[in-house]
Amino acid sequence: AQKVTQAQTEISVVEKEDVTLDCVYETRDTTYYLFWYKQPPSGELVFLIRRNSFDEQNEISGRYSWNFQKSTSSFNFTITASQVVDSAVYFCALSEAKYGGATNKLIFGTGTLLAVQP
Amino acid sequence: DAGVIQSPRHEVTEMGQEVTLRCKPISGHDYLFWYRQTMMRGLELLIYFNNNVPIDDSGMPEDRFSAKMPNASFSTLKIQPSEPRDSAVYFCASTPGRGRNTEAFFGQGTRLTVV
Repeated sequence: AQKVTQAQTEISVVEKEDVTLDCVYETRDTTYYLFWYKQPPSGELVFLIRRNSFDEQNEISGRYSWNFQKSTSSFNFTITASQVVDSAVYFCALSEAKYGGATNKLIFGTGTLLAVQP
Repeated sequence: DAGVIQSPRHEVTEMGQEVTLRCKPISGHDYLFWYRQTMMRGLELLIYFNNNVPIDDSGMPEDRFSAKMPNASFSTLKIQPSEPRDSAVYFCASTPGRGRNTEAFFGQGTRLTVV
C-alpha cells in the first residue's frame, strides 16, 4: 500500500530562518512521482514541484529546495530565508505511475502547517 | 485557459437535502479527480475518471455519494441525502493523458456545510 507521512504537524519559525519540512513515503512501485503542494489560508492548492522516482537530483527554485533520497524514502522540502508569505499548509503527495505515465491519483500526507512570524 | 472551475464556491444546506457540486476541467485533459478535505481525514481521493469513464470509485464513502461525467468538459458530484459529516472542502482536479505527465491542476474547491 502507498502511504505518505509528514510527521511535523506544525512548525513555527521567525522570518528569515531556514526551515525544512519532512516527507517520508512508502510504495512498492519502482516508478512513481512525488509532489509538494502549498495550501495558503485562502484554501487553494498550489503546485510546487513534481519529482520522478528515477531522478534523485536535488532541485532548487529560488528560496525553495528539495532533497530526494530513495535510500531513505524521503522527499524533504527546505525554505531558505523564510518569509511571512510562506505561511501555509504544505502537503507532500505520492502518485503511482502505470502504463508509462503518471495517473496522478495522489496520495497525500497529512500536511505541515508552517507559521512564519515577522 | 481559465483552469479548473468549480461551482459553487460555498454551499450551505440542511441535512437531508440533495447537494450537487460541479466541475469543469481544463480543456484537453483526459483525467478528472474528485478529492475531499476534512480535518479528520485530510485530503482523500473519492473518484477519478479517464476519458469520462469512472476508473476508481473506491474512495466514495457510501451510496449517498455519486459522480458523473457526461462529457469531457463537465462533471458532477452529488450527495443525496446530505449529512453533517459530509461537511468538507471538495476539490476537483484534472490532468493531461498518459504520456504527458504533469501535475494535477486543482480547482478552487467547494466548501460544503451541512447543518
